[in-house]
Amino acid sequence: DTGVSQDPRHKITKRGQNVTFRCDPISEHNRLYWYRQTLGQGPEFLTYFQNEAQLEKSRLLSDRFSAERPKGSFSTLEIQRTEQGDSAMYLCASSSGTGAYNEQFFGPGTRLTVL
Amino acid sequence: KNQVEQSPQSLIILEGKNCTLQCNYTVSPFSNLRWYKQDTGRGPVSLTIMTFSENTKSNGRYTATLDADTKQSSLHITASQLSDSASYICVVTPLNQAGTALIFGKGTTLSVSS
Repeated sequence: DTGVSQDPRHKITKRGQNVTFRCDPISEHNRLYWYRQTLGQGPEFLTYFQNEAQLEKSRLLSDRFSAERPKGSFSTLEIQRTEQGDSAMYLCASSSGTGAYNEQFFGPGTRLTVL
Repeated sequence: KNQVEQSPQSLIILEGKNCTLQCNYTVSPFSNLRWYKQDTGRGPVSLTIMTFSENTKSNGRYTATLDADTKQSSLHITASQLSDSASYICVVTPLNQAGTALIFGKGTTLSVSS
């Protein structure tokens, strides 16, 4: 499968716990994006990487959110001290960064439920 | 403020019928406009992408149109199928962005019934 993959697909956690999500982009893509999507809304941009460099992180929702892409391949998104308001779908996308459209290809998402 | 507004919010049609979804945007200047299909619990999948200079783009039974003067786009679905039931999201990329500032609409939820 050459698409974007995310793991886990579903995560249920108790308030206050830390969670970490993984995203594996399309192998030749150097750009990787994280989004959050709540029910009835479009995806909301969180952060993005070009290779291993995190070029935009000002739109992370709070300092409890952090992301890494240590070797420029897979990426992780961590949420510390989860709150019920963090319950959402977390989407990852990747792109080649080239071409007229710089099209982003999305993964299936990780559904987080905070109890 | 850059915005993307979609209508209707939801739509129910019978299998085999056609439908048209609307997208109005205030993003200017913009690089491209995309329509995505998102099945419940899945990530969005691209249907069409148009630059500001393109007026129409087709992908099978899906046809998108763009009027950059009125800042409107539409997605027309012909001969709808049950599998078309999904959320359809309009996305605009502002010009001179690195692709990070995609502006998403809230989507139109389409239900196709038999």
